[in-house]
Amino acid sequence: NAGVMQNPRHLVRRRGQEARLRCSPMKGHSHVYWYRQLPEEGLKFMVYLQKENIIDESGMPKERFSAEFPKEGPSILRIQQVVRGDSAAYFCASSPPGGVATTYEQYFGPGTRLTVT
Amino acid sequence: AQSVTQLGSHVSVSEGALVLLRCNYSSSVPPYLFWYVQYPNQGLQLLLKYTSAATLVKGINGFEAEFKKSETSFHLTKPSAHMSDAAEYFCAVQSGGGADGLTFGKGTHLIIQP
Repeated sequence: NAGVMQNPRHLVRRRGQEARLRCSPMKGHSHVYWYRQLPEEGLKFMVYLQKENIIDESGMPKERFSAEFPKEGPSILRIQQVVRGDSAAYFCASSPPGGVATTYEQYFGPGTRLTVT
Repeated sequence: AQSVTQLGSHVSVSEGALVLLRCNYSSSVPPYLFWYVQYPNQGLQLLLKYTSAATLVKGINGFEAEFKKSETSFHLTKPSAHMSDAAEYFCAVQSGGGADGLTFGKGTHLIIQP
């Protein structure tokens, strides 16, 4: 059973370009989460999605950032007009759908390291 | 609102010594608590979790943690450190029973001295 997959693993963008980060959850998982890890800081929650729905985006910056999890295909985190401060590691996690005894533990992907030059 | 405090950004122990990584949380509802480990340039791996069952939780690689409600703590321990335990450790809290995003502490870098 493949784990959470993220691509690309490393992404370099110039200021003003767009960055698209992809996340394929574990098989059977319907919940996807995005986190950002800045240098010398812990992980910060950004957004929680289920198929075709954004459930909680309280951690997303108000501008330039968006996320989707379509019915088919991976979840996408999109950053428009990147700035140097966007340089970070972006992690995706997935968890199984709800039900009896579900603890919603999250399984993390290897991350995408974004560098803005 | 919920938060996590990890005391000590760096902890150094000798190989074979006890490992103790501290985590205190605040939560307005009964929490679920997690410890994750991150090796350099990798994702996070779940070590163990507390979900309102037994207060002493055993995880992988010989780690365990004890939930103490009165102290709002969830400290991580391992009786005997191995060189392979050197990594970054994160404590996280989630609203009990929910599927919310995790709130992480800032992490503790564990250094193992030979």
